Amino acid sequence: DAGITQSPRYKITETGRQVTLMCHQTWSHSYMFWYRQDLGHGLRLIYYSAAADITDKGEVPDGYVVSRSKTENFPLTLESATRSQTSVYFCASSEIGLAGLNIQYFGAGTRLSVL
Amino acid sequence: GDSVTQMEGPVTLSEEAFLTINCTYTATGYPSLFWYVQYPGEGLQLLLKATKADDKGSNKGFEATYRKETTSFHLEKGSVQVSDSAVYFCALSPGANSKLTFGKGITLSVRP
Repeated sequence: DAGITQSPRYKITETGRQVTLMCHQTWSHSYMFWYRQDLGHGLRLIYYSAAADITDKGEVPDGYVVSRSKTENFPLTLESATRSQTSVYFCASSEIGLAGLNIQYFGAGTRLSVL
Repeated sequence: GDSVTQMEGPVTLSEEAFLTINCTYTATGYPSLFWYVQYPGEGLQLLLKATKADDKGSNKGFEATYRKETTSFHLEKGSVQVSDSAVYFCALSPGANSKLTFGKGITLSVRP
């Protein structure tokens, strides 16, 4: 399927467990992003990547790990899940276009519950 | 740093009512401005954009004008429909930097 896909769509886990959220895009966009969406906070950037093997922290990176060995994939790992990481997670990708215009395209999200 | 402030929600309107959602921003330089919409159970999608002062973005009957003098990018629609019920996010991109800064979003509910 063309576009950006996230898996799983729903995940329930327990505190202390490791969990990985997957993100795959078919456009060969250079940039990829992970956000979390929480009531009252809007979207907050966790990590982003400008290209394969290049990643950088966003606003709320603690407790998360990312990697990007291939342009099309950008997995997000919660090394030891905590209840505060219960959230909806969105992956996005973009390419810098004409005049530096940056339009991000979002996946459908993963709803994660940490019990 | 850069920031985006949206009016407090939620907003509930009757079908065919006029909609205004306020958005103001703080940024250095000349950012690009965006409105994204999130329909229930879905990811965000771009609704409209503007890249320089006095530009008007428009799509699906929605409009927003980039006002540098008031640092605003208010979203308007003349006649809302039930299908417009969604969460609306204002965002900015500071040019060459790839990151977006989002407002907190506002939920719009349109009743028949």
